[in-house]
Amino acid sequence: EIVMTQSPATLSVSPGERATLSCRASQSVSSNFAWYQLKPGQAPRLLIYGASTRATGIPARFSGSGSGTEFSLTISSLQSEDFAVYYCQQYNSWPWTFGLGTKVEIK
Amino acid sequence: EEQVVESGGGLVQPGGSLRLSCAASGFTFSNYELNWVRQAPGKGLEWVSYISSSGSTIYYVDSVKGRFTISRDNAKNSLYLQMNSLRGEDTAVYYCVSKYYDFWSGYLSFVWGKGTTVTVSS
Repeated sequence: EIVMTQSPATLSVSPGERATLSCRASQSVSSNFAWYQLKPGQAPRLLIYGASTRATGIPARFSGSGSGTEFSLTISSLQSEDFAVYYCQQYNSWPWTFGLGTKVEIK
Repeated sequence: EEQVVESGGGLVQPGGSLRLSCAASGFTFSNYELNWVRQAPGKGLEWVSYISSSGSTIYYVDSVKGRFTISRDNAKNSLYLQMNSLRGEDTAVYYCVSKYYDFWSGYLSFVWGKGTTVTVSS
């Protein structure tokens, strides 16, 4: 099973600032990698797939990069609605595995 | 709009059974692969089970093999998860996740529902 390690666990950021989240895979997942945003009581929202492709309707302030084992998600200018928990996922091989999440909170 | 809605969660005693359902709308259900993913309280996301678009290929996480059964009814646009011999560690929010991939365009869609809560407790 591929282990996904996210960092940091918590990121304190002021609105309007830039946030960068990281995720490392224990072995290569090529570009079969996604980022999600989770808010309580809501369906998880796909932000990025293919490591760098924004999902339909996702604002341009969200960008993803990386391949193989190292990935990052950048939110260029944090809006109030962006404070949430973010998870990374590999779908390169079974079982799908997820990171433990990064909580982006208001500084 | 692509949408999936889970139902069937609830409180069940250890050793009991529950059947989760997932109703899909807004897309051609029979073209999509389907999964169940769960999140235990205070924990991360855990993939549970997969079924191919035709239903011919099925996978399970080791911890539920022999206890859970995934199935789908393409005529009813529905996915199911029969959960037997439930344990405390099965307590979680269970999400239905559809996946569609178009090889030629590279387009990929993951659609998640809001989840249904399963609590296993005496």
